[in-house]
Amino acid sequence: NAGVTQTPKFQVLKTGQSMTLQCAQDMNHEYMSWYRQDPGMGLRLIHYSVGAGITDQGEVPNGYNVSRSTTEDFPLRLLSAAPSQTSVYFCASSKAVRSGNTIYFGEGSWLTVV
Amino acid sequence: RKEVEQDPGPFNVPEGATVAFNCTYSNSASQSFFWYRQDCRKEPKLLMSVYSSGNEDGRFTAQLNRASQYISLLIRDSKLSDSATYLCVVNIANTGNQFYFGTGTSLTVIP
Repeated sequence: NAGVTQTPKFQVLKTGQSMTLQCAQDMNHEYMSWYRQDPGMGLRLIHYSVGAGITDQGEVPNGYNVSRSTTEDFPLRLLSAAPSQTSVYFCASSKAVRSGNTIYFGEGSWLTVV
Repeated sequence: RKEVEQDPGPFNVPEGATVAFNCTYSNSASQSFFWYRQDCRKEPKLLMSVYSSGNEDGRFTAQLNRASQYISLLIRDSKLSDSATYLCVVNIANTGNQFYFGTGTSLTVIP
């Protein structure tokens, strides 16, 4: 019962470094998304995808890139890390657009940019 | 204006108490509604879906009022293990299956 798998769980980066957060799901979900969660701000959508080859920006996309070459994988790339990107990142997935679908989360990735 | 708004709390209640959380949403096209639970340093997990007729799962009761655009969660006979943050979640299908989250309501159940 893997569900949504994220790696790494913890990462410390220096300002200006780049890195990729990996996300994979084994539920054949069409919809995948990345959120960041900061104290007092709740979950904010970074990027999302409604299927392989299709991505779109969410509420806070600046500084992040995504791609969706397969249904299973949805990596999030930090292009040039900044201290403001220190956060907890959650990958999530759901079935296609259809009323009543729930969203499932990975365990989170704790990122610190120094 | 945020799509989903919740009272952040914190709610501190004694064991055995009944506690209620409310949530309002702004988009009348919202189609699906959920309560998620998030423990400290963990991912959000589905607690229950919310249906128009209201639904119950053990000690938890969820209600939806579409006319007033609010959702509620009632927890009866609170347990220590109910301590967590409760997130109100709305799915708006005509926005590309977007899910919108409240900032969460913190609950601590005190012995």
